[in-house]
Amino acid sequence: AQSVTQLDSHVSVSEGTPVLLRCNYSSSYSPSLFWYVQHPNKGLQLLLKYTSAATLVKGINGFEAEFKKSETSFHLTKPSAHMSDAAEYFCVVSVFGANNLFFGTGTRLTVIP
Amino acid sequence: NAGVTQTPKFQVLKTGQSMTLQCAQDMNHEYMSWYRQDPGMGLRLIHYSVGAGITDQGEVPNGYNVSRSTTEDFPLRLLSAAPSQTSVYFCASSYSWTGGVNEQFFGPGTRLTVL
Repeated sequence: AQSVTQLDSHVSVSEGTPVLLRCNYSSSYSPSLFWYVQHPNKGLQLLLKYTSAATLVKGINGFEAEFKKSETSFHLTKPSAHMSDAAEYFCVVSVFGANNLFFGTGTRLTVIP
Repeated sequence: NAGVTQTPKFQVLKTGQSMTLQCAQDMNHEYMSWYRQDPGMGLRLIHYSVGAGITDQGEVPNGYNVSRSTTEDFPLRLLSAAPSQTSVYFCASSYSWTGGVNEQFFGPGTRLTVL
């Protein structure tokens, strides 16, 4: 069975400081992992994805995530937060043969000026 | 390229009413799906389709029907609305479903309130 745990429901950072959004997953098979971002009253947009290639994945807007199989983690980071990064972030897992994605409960990122 | 479009953006229903949420995509995607988003629960899959004429249930299908007569359209029907169906509904599509590795493109959502 597949599942995703986002360890923080809300993260608050100051503008210009690093961002860390934590995600742990559980999967019976080799997973594909994604981070999606949802800005207020908008649909979801793909930030980045891991599909068994390089373990350090770079995404849009300066975000990156590292797949750590030994820790079953896929944490999202950004060196310097921008006001426009304020949004809800979802960690998502899928496996080959599954017909749907499994979403975490989301982490709301607040950026303080 | 409009991407994934959803109508309406907002809807208020009374208990027992029926309605259809519309979803269309112009990217010739094979795979389409409907999710509901509830506070603190992430997104949960309602129904999905891997091509015209083929649909299947997701995690929370009760109270909803779907059909897919064309590649472009994937409407979601609420047969008899209940307050528990108050939620934000997202339609998504992807080029194909090859092991779940394809990017899903999401519509802007429909906010539904059932009184």
